[in-house]
Formats: sequence, C-alpha cells, structure tokens
Amino acid sequence: DAGVIQSPRHEVTEMGQEVTLRCKPISGHDYLFWYRQTMMRGLELLIYFNNNVPIDDSGMPEDRFSAKMPNASFSTLKIQPSEPRDSAVYFCASRTVPGGIVTEAFFGQGTRLTVV
Amino acid sequence: AQSVTQPDIHITVSEGASLELRCNYSYGATPYLFWYVQSPGQGLQLLLKYFSGDTLVQGIKGFEAEFKRSQSSFNLRKPSVHWSDAAEYFCAVGAPGTASKLTFGTGTRLQVTL
Repeated sequence: DAGVIQSPRHEVTEMGQEVTLRCKPISGHDYLFWYRQTMMRGLELLIYFNNNVPIDDSGMPEDRFSAKMPNASFSTLKIQPSEPRDSAVYFCASRTVPGGIVTEAFFGQGTRLTVV
Repeated sequence: AQSVTQPDIHITVSEGASLELRCNYSYGATPYLFWYVQSPGQGLQLLLKYFSGDTLVQGIKGFEAEFKRSQSSFNLRKPSVHWSDAAEYFCAVGAPGTASKLTFGTGTRLQVTL
C-alpha cells in the first residue's frame, strides 16, 4: 500500500481564498483523522471520521473550516475564507481496528499551507 | 481531560551516547501510549506503543520505552544514538479501547552531534 496520500504537499494562497486539502487513506482503514500542526499549538486533532461519518469535530477551530468524507477512500478539509493564522501543516491519518484491536494511526506527509 | 507533557523542548546528544526522552501524562486510568518520530518535512511514524502487559516495550530503530504507572511516565530510550535519529519526537496518549482521540505532547527536538 502507498500509505496515506495527501495533496497538495504545499499550498500558498491569498487571504480570503478558499483552500481545499485532500486525503486518501490507506485502503481498508475505517478511521480517518485530520490534524493541524503549528509551532504555537503543536499537533491538534481537528476532526475524525469512522466509516465515513464525522464522529467528533470539536477541534475544528471555527465555521470557516469544514471536512467531508464522501466515501471510504477520500476526504477533504476545506477552509473558506482562509486567513493568515490558518498557516500550518495539516496532516491526515488513518487506521483500522481489526477485530476490535486498536492499531496505530498512519500519517500522511502533510500539506504545508501558507496564507498570505 | 487527558494531557501529555514533554518537558524537554530540545536535546543534544553525541552520536553513540545513550538517550532518554521524557514523557508524562495525565489520565484517569491507564491510557494507551505512543511514541512517534517526525523527520523534517515528513509525517509522523510510529516508534512504539503500549496498551497493556509488559511495561517495557520495544519499538523500531532500536528504541524502547518503559511505562511507569506510579510516575505517570512513558519515557523513550535508546542505548546508542545514531546521527540519523535526529528528528522530532512526540509522545501521545489515547483513551483505552479505541484511542480515537490522541493527545500529543509538544515534542522534543533531538539533535545529534558527530
């Protein structure tokens, strides 16, 4: 398996523009997580899905952020409108719980977002 | 609420020297515990995890960690550091059962001198 695939790897956008980050989880994984990493706040969980259903979005900073998972192999994180303080590295991770046994989450390489 | 403290922001060790990275957690019961490593520009890679059982766990790349319930700690160790170990290390805690919401520490950046 190619692992968790995120695109784009780097994104530079102007304040006010819409930004869409994409994630393809590992095939067969039924949990998908979106994290944000900044120097100030470290790694923060934004939202996670189980079987394509959002379970906990309490980490989503505000209404400008939205996430979807239309099917088991694709998820998006959208920021509209974007602001300079959204600049961060956004990670997607996936995992499965085979037979109820918790396994580790596998992370993508991240999308570095810069909002100018 | 669960929390993780990594008291050392930055550590420098010489190649070949031993390493210990500290991690303390706050949780009402015994959580699931993880150590991840992040190389520059890369995602996080799991080094090792503890769910239950033997409190000394072995991971990849020669790392090990020891769970100490009495100290609420899960310190990461390596007997002999290699220059390629230079990276950022994150300790994480999750609720037992599903560990769906991992809480990460702020990370320790390891520098290795030759």
